[in-house]
Amino acid sequence: DAKTTQPNSMESNEEEPVHLPCNHSTISGTDYIHWYRQLPSQGPEYVIHGLTSNVNNRMASLAIAEDRKSSTLILHRATLRDAAVYYCILRTGANSKLTFGKGITLSVRP
Amino acid sequence: KAGVTQTPRYLIKTRGQQVTLSCSPISGHRSVSWYQQTPGQGLQFLFEYFSETQRNKGNFPGRFSGRQFSNSRSEMNVSTLELGDSALYLCASSPRTADTEAFFGQGTRLTVV
Repeated sequence: DAKTTQPNSMESNEEEPVHLPCNHSTISGTDYIHWYRQLPSQGPEYVIHGLTSNVNNRMASLAIAEDRKSSTLILHRATLRDAAVYYCILRTGANSKLTFGKGITLSVRP
Repeated sequence: KAGVTQTPRYLIKTRGQQVTLSCSPISGHRSVSWYQQTPGQGLQFLFEYFSETQRNKGNFPGRFSGRQFSNSRSEMNVSTLELGDSALYLCASSPRTADTEAFFGQGTRLTVV
């Protein structure tokens, strides 16, 4: 499985934008970039995914580098409820398997 | 639309016993995957089932097994429980392809004493 690299942690202020980076230099052409987050005492929750183009949804935006070797999850206005572990995952072809790394722990200051 | 339902939510078992956990996927989803989460190892993939067939298996001993029924509901079984099997077991359902999201249940917290 292609691997991703994320910083261990990041801090943000409430109501400010947050940019969470992810490196995936060994990504293949059929790998989709997925982001999930896990709040304390809950199962992981889907955030967003994309293949080549930037993507937006109600939760976040995903900016994908032109060479696809990195991506950035953007939370436009962080809230206290966004404090969680965020996982960047590559998901391949017809394989539903998700390979979780350690993720990045986001702390949000009031 | 009902989410992924896992039962039971909490379970305490004794070392050496066996346990069966249940997962009901979202209606219409045919793929069910299981994950183990521990503080030391994080989230690890156990196995995936699609249309009653195991399609993918993680690096776990044979004591961990699963199955999927014709209605897509899935069970996983752990035999001869060890203390190290204490973990949060998560089930996720999704359509088959990678271009879709996976929906996770709340998990079953298993404690082995």
